[in-house]
Amino acid sequence: QKEVEQNSGPLSVPEGAIASLNCTYSDRGSQSFFWYRQYSGKSPELIMFIYSNGDKEDGRFTAQLNKASQYVSLLIRDSQPSDSATYLCAVNIWVPNFGNEKLTFGTGTRLTIIP
Amino acid sequence: DTGVSQDPRHKITKRGQNVTFRCDPISEHNRLYWYRQTLGQGPEFLTYFQNEAQLEKSRLLSDRFSAERPKGSFSTLEIQRTEQGDSAMYLCASSLQVASGRTDTQYFGPGTRLTVL
Repeated sequence: QKEVEQNSGPLSVPEGAIASLNCTYSDRGSQSFFWYRQYSGKSPELIMFIYSNGDKEDGRFTAQLNKASQYVSLLIRDSQPSDSATYLCAVNIWVPNFGNEKLTFGTGTRLTIIP
Repeated sequence: DTGVSQDPRHKITKRGQNVTFRCDPISEHNRLYWYRQTLGQGPEFLTYFQNEAQLEKSRLLSDRFSAERPKGSFSTLEIQRTEQGDSAMYLCASSLQVASGRTDTQYFGPGTRLTVL
């Protein structure tokens, strides 16, 4: 089982609709969860992070975390063509007294917003 | 621009040659990470530094790979005797460790795309 799993897509969403991106993780010790956006040929760009169960909103983006289900999602409201990109879910596992803070990424979900 | 910078942005080399990449983190950041990303995959962790100390290396980092951060500022990643399988995007990220028990956000540089012929 992969440590971080995402549906690779492609996910096609009409412009103006809500895009829903999902991610599951296997390590219950995971503490922090990140969503990065990556345009083709470019580097990952941070969109949001979430530490606590529940929802966190930032503009058109909402991150949702459910640690019991080991599930994190990203909702994009009022989708725009410029949102077309690959969305990477990343998980951070912090080890006490060691501070191992590398990010473990999923393979990404390719999102296409249809005008 | 005060973000993470990487140099060069593209590198084409022949198999067996050595290559070196440079990363300049965000100035106040004390942690620096190297990742590698191949087509269709997410970035994979290679190694990271806190100040000048290299704290962890992935199993992906074979003996041909070496990374340094001599003064706790910029870092270099060297690949010796390159192989075609080394072709990838090499990403550098930095973060500021400010509080024990909290994860700090990693910001990525533009990457160095390596092509080994």
